[in-house]
Amino acid sequence: DTAVSQTPKYLVTQMGNDKSIKCEQNLGHDTMYWYKQDSKKFLKIMFSYNNKELIINETVPNRFSPKSPDKAHLNLHINSLELGDSAVYFCASSQDVDRGGETQYFGPGTRLLVL
Amino acid sequence: QKEVEQDPGPLSVPEGAIVSLNCTYSNSAFQYFMWYRQYSRKGPELLMYTYSSGNKEDGRFTAQVDKSSKYISLFIRDSQPSDSATYLCAMSGYGGSQGNLIFGKGTKLSVKP
Repeated sequence: DTAVSQTPKYLVTQMGNDKSIKCEQNLGHDTMYWYKQDSKKFLKIMFSYNNKELIINETVPNRFSPKSPDKAHLNLHINSLELGDSAVYFCASSQDVDRGGETQYFGPGTRLLVL
Repeated sequence: QKEVEQDPGPLSVPEGAIVSLNCTYSNSAFQYFMWYRQYSRKGPELLMYTYSSGNKEDGRFTAQVDKSSKYISLFIRDSQPSDSATYLCAMSGYGGSQGNLIFGKGTKLSVKP
């Protein structure tokens, strides 16, 4: 069984559209994350979330919003997509962000292309 | 100055070579230091983990942390073509937002048979 899964794997869409990416982890972890990896492979955290706290990277536009229906899922909603949103988006999970240094397990990524 | 600096390469070496990958950082609060390996079109996976200063060895891989110099290294001995991947250093502090990982840009390594 895949520990961290994401859907879809590929997403091609037009500017201005709204889209969602889903993430599920079956590791029983308390904390989930969304990362953006740009064309230069730079991996940057967007959000970390557990059932107590959402930590937002201040550079993330408010067009991006995480939604967590339960502890095992953290979906990413993106409104009014822009060309610069094209990237690979990775979901990850760890036992507990509060302890620091927790091993993070990454999903396979969702390749988003905005035309 | 970025929090974590890593030479993106690419780095190409012959099979069997010793590879040295490095990162520098500026945030003194970092206590946890990791190396992730990312194969093409895959998610990163944890390779090595070190807390505070010191060395850690795991098979052909050795991670070193020098907190006084704010410098971390990953050494790969007897490199294999299967080691060809992008290597990302990552580090974090303790607790809350400080617990979030900050990644370097990654170094792309190619090991030629």
